[in-house]
Amino acid sequence: TQLLEQSPQFLSIQEGENLTVYCNSSSVFSSLQWYRQEPGEGPVLLVTVVTGGEVKKLKRLTFQFGDARKDSSLHITAAQPGDTGLYLCAGRPGNQGGKLIFGQGTELSVKP
Amino acid sequence: DAMVIQNPRYQVTQFGKPVTLSCSQTLNHNVMYWYQQKSSQAPKLLFHYYDKDFNNEADTPDNFQSRRPNTSFCFLDIRSPGLGDAAMYLCATSRDRSGARYEQYFGPGTRLTVT
Repeated sequence: TQLLEQSPQFLSIQEGENLTVYCNSSSVFSSLQWYRQEPGEGPVLLVTVVTGGEVKKLKRLTFQFGDARKDSSLHITAAQPGDTGLYLCAGRPGNQGGKLIFGQGTELSVKP
Repeated sequence: DAMVIQNPRYQVTQFGKPVTLSCSQTLNHNVMYWYQQKSSQAPKLLFHYYDKDFNNEADTPDNFQSRRPNTSFCFLDIRSPGLGDAAMYLCATSRDRSGARYEQYFGPGTRLTVT
């Protein structure tokens, strides 16, 4: 069974700080997606990374896919209270159709 | 805007009373998924439809059923809800199943309460 270990599980920081969330696996994924979910809402897709070593930027968010496509990271620069939410990484195995393997999620709280 | 819509957003049902949750999509995607999500946990896949082909997850209880009458609509039926079925139910779609770039897009969810 493929697993995605996401860390940290909880993160509480002050506005303006930087943070990094990690997703790690011993298995290779054909792609990896990052979602952000606010309370009472569905996950919203932030980015998809496909190529090993790929780096994508979305304003203050930087996403990286590991060279071997087994891990990924999300770095937020100068966090703002609006960044608060549950961040989920989800990997697509190469041989399970459309299924996503989800990490456990990171609850981020950014205090003003 | 193309989107995934779930109704109702909040549903209260009684223990053992059948309930149906609905999902519609204007994306014209081939695949529709149903997930169960409990507080601050990752979504758990219950089943998915690839066009009309139904695919159940091995650990999805028989209490959960689904129907997809056409491309746009998909329903989740819970035949006899128990207290442990209280959760957020998420519908998602993707254009296809194969191919790394076929992302899943989620609806806003239905919060189910069982009394």
